[in-house]
Amino acid sequence: DIQMTQSPSSLSASVGDRVTITCRASQSISNYLNWYQQKPGKAPHLLIYAASSLQSGVPSRFSGSGSGTDFTLTISGLQPEDFATYYCQQSYSLPRAFGPGTKVDIE
Amino acid sequence: EVQLVESGGGLVKPGGSLRLSCAASGFSFRNAWMSWVRQAPGKGLEWVGRIKSKTDGETTDYAAPVKGRFTISRDDSKNTLNLQMNSLKTEDTAVYYCSWVAAAGSRRPYYYYLDVWGKGTTVTVSS
Repeated sequence: DIQMTQSPSSLSASVGDRVTITCRASQSISNYLNWYQQKPGKAPHLLIYAASSLQSGVPSRFSGSGSGTDFTLTISGLQPEDFATYYCQQSYSLPRAFGPGTKVDIE
Repeated sequence: EVQLVESGGGLVKPGGSLRLSCAASGFSFRNAWMSWVRQAPGKGLEWVGRIKSKTDGETTDYAAPVKGRFTISRDDSKNTLNLQMNSLKTEDTAVYYCSWVAAAGSRRPYYYYLDVWGKGTTVTVSS
């Protein structure tokens, strides 16, 4: 099974900051990588699929990159509504493992 | 509006059973692949399993921790996804989400992602 890791596990940032979250797969997954955002008490919400394709309706300040084993999610100009936990998920093979999450909170 | 609504959660003793349902509306459920994801209290997301559409064979796949104990099924006539959970353990305590598995791409293998999620239903396994 493919294992997913994320770093950092948490970070503190201010409104307007550029934030980068890293996700790593235990083996190559090409670009079969999704990113989700989850706010406390709410269901997750898809941000990016296929490593870099922005889901419809998601603000353009979110972007994704990477291929193979290393991926990044970047938030360019953090907004108050972006304070949340972010998860990556591989869709290359079964089981569709998620990363452990990165919590972004207010500095 | 695309909507998924889970139900059936509750308190159950270890070793017991519970059946969750997910009512779908606003999209062609019979053509959709569906998935269950869970989240233990204070923990991250865990993929539970998936069921393909009847057209694609209604195949099911499961995560190792639930394989042999959980069964995913669907009733396309009622636009409903089900999760039968048997031999429940305390570690199965979680919020359970159903989700629509969307696909993108012009050729196989497609890019699969969880496009729409329900609000979740809480399962507590405790004596």
